[in-house]
Amino acid sequence: GNSVTQMEGPVTLSEEAFLTINCTYTATGYPSLFWYVQYPGEGLQLLLKATKADDKGSNKGFEATYRKETTSFHLEKGSVQVSDSAVYFCALSDTGGNQFYFGTGTSLTVIP
Amino acid sequence: ETGVTQSPTHLIKTRGQQVTLRCSSQSGHNTVSWYQQALGQGPQFIFQYYREEENGRGNFPPRFSGLQFPNYSSELNVNALELDDSALYLCASSPSGAVNYNEQFFGPGTRLTVL
Repeated sequence: GNSVTQMEGPVTLSEEAFLTINCTYTATGYPSLFWYVQYPGEGLQLLLKATKADDKGSNKGFEATYRKETTSFHLEKGSVQVSDSAVYFCALSDTGGNQFYFGTGTSLTVIP
Repeated sequence: ETGVTQSPTHLIKTRGQQVTLRCSSQSGHNTVSWYQQALGQGPQFIFQYYREEENGRGNFPPRFSGLQFPNYSSELNVNALELDDSALYLCASSPSGAVNYNEQFFGPGTRLTVL
């Protein structure tokens, strides 16, 4: 079946540090991959997505590349800010778009 | 443009009771998905409604059921509540049935506590 496994947290980084949050997936067919973010006190919102292999999603300085050969979609940012403190969820949608799967979430805290 | 709204915000029920949660989708969106998020976990997909029909379902028993209305708002009904049903229930709307391409917009959730 379909599933998403993401790096356990919590993660604590200093401002301007490099961020990687690992995400791997199991899926049949051609899933789409997503990163959603939940800032403190706010609802889930889409951060970026990639709908086919080798696509790179990017937004707000974050990037993730859809790697079919390693079944991965790792989230990266070159220089994190305090305002990036949030919970990050990796997710996938099945080929038909009728099912959606989230990982368990990774809490990130950025300290000044 | 009004975002996704959910009601009620909080709810307390006892085991064996039934509950109905409500969701108003964002204007122009005809697809609603429901998720259960236990504390410290990621959201688990319950089901999706597209143009008033169930369009996909996760691994949840039949006592979890739903409806979508002509205005695309939606209800989640849970019968015979169990303690493990205690969770945050999230509703998300999107502009078409294919959530593999379209962004989902999430509501703030309903916190259900089963005693």
